[in-house]
Amino acid sequence: GAGVSQSPSNKVTEKGKDVELRCDPISGHTALYWYRQRLGQGLEFLIYFQGNSAPDKSGLPSDRFSAERTGESVSTLTIQRTQQEDSAVYLCASSSAGTGPYEQYFGPGTRLTVT
Amino acid sequence: AQSVTQLDSHVSVSEGTPVLLRCNYSSSYSPSLFWYVQHPNKGLQLLLKYTSAATLVKGINGFEAEFKKSETSFHLTKPSAHMSDAAEYFCVVSDLGSGNTGKLIFGQGTTLQVKP
Repeated sequence: GAGVSQSPSNKVTEKGKDVELRCDPISGHTALYWYRQRLGQGLEFLIYFQGNSAPDKSGLPSDRFSAERTGESVSTLTIQRTQQEDSAVYLCASSSAGTGPYEQYFGPGTRLTVT
Repeated sequence: AQSVTQLDSHVSVSEGTPVLLRCNYSSSYSPSLFWYVQHPNKGLQLLLKYTSAATLVKGINGFEAEFKKSETSFHLTKPSAHMSDAAEYFCVVSDLGSGNTGKLIFGQGTTLQVKP
């Protein structure tokens, strides 16, 4: 079956512009996570969605970052007024359950470059 | 709070020799631990997971890891390295704190180089 997909795969933007990243989770997965991976580093948690519950936004680095998810489908991560330090690979993962150590399936990521 | 520390940022082995990637964890709870692999320009793939069942966990591609509570370690091993094992490896703990969101907390990663 289809895995997690993300678009675009690459995005180059000018400093100060807004960008929108998209994630399509595996069908039927109720939990969705966004992570950020800076060059040469591990992943940092950004935000978590579980069904219709309030999202866990504790990992968002600033108020320029926001994300939405409609039900158990597509999610979009928006970065406003991009800065050079936002350059990273943004990864989305989905899971069949929202609590406990269930396996998370990762998408290929969106590589964001802010010039 | 949970955390993981990967003790080596870079490991180099010769093909056919054993692999050892070291990981220590810190957790106030009985942890759930994972190893993920990331090949160049490819997505993250789960190698194996520990969830309080058997302490010796077998994963894909011949990898295994042993959970040692007394040492707070979860080292990844493989008896014989293959060229295709060259990749970035992440030790990961699942957040089981307040809210229990299951978010993953990643180590900084270990780059495995396999020499012919």
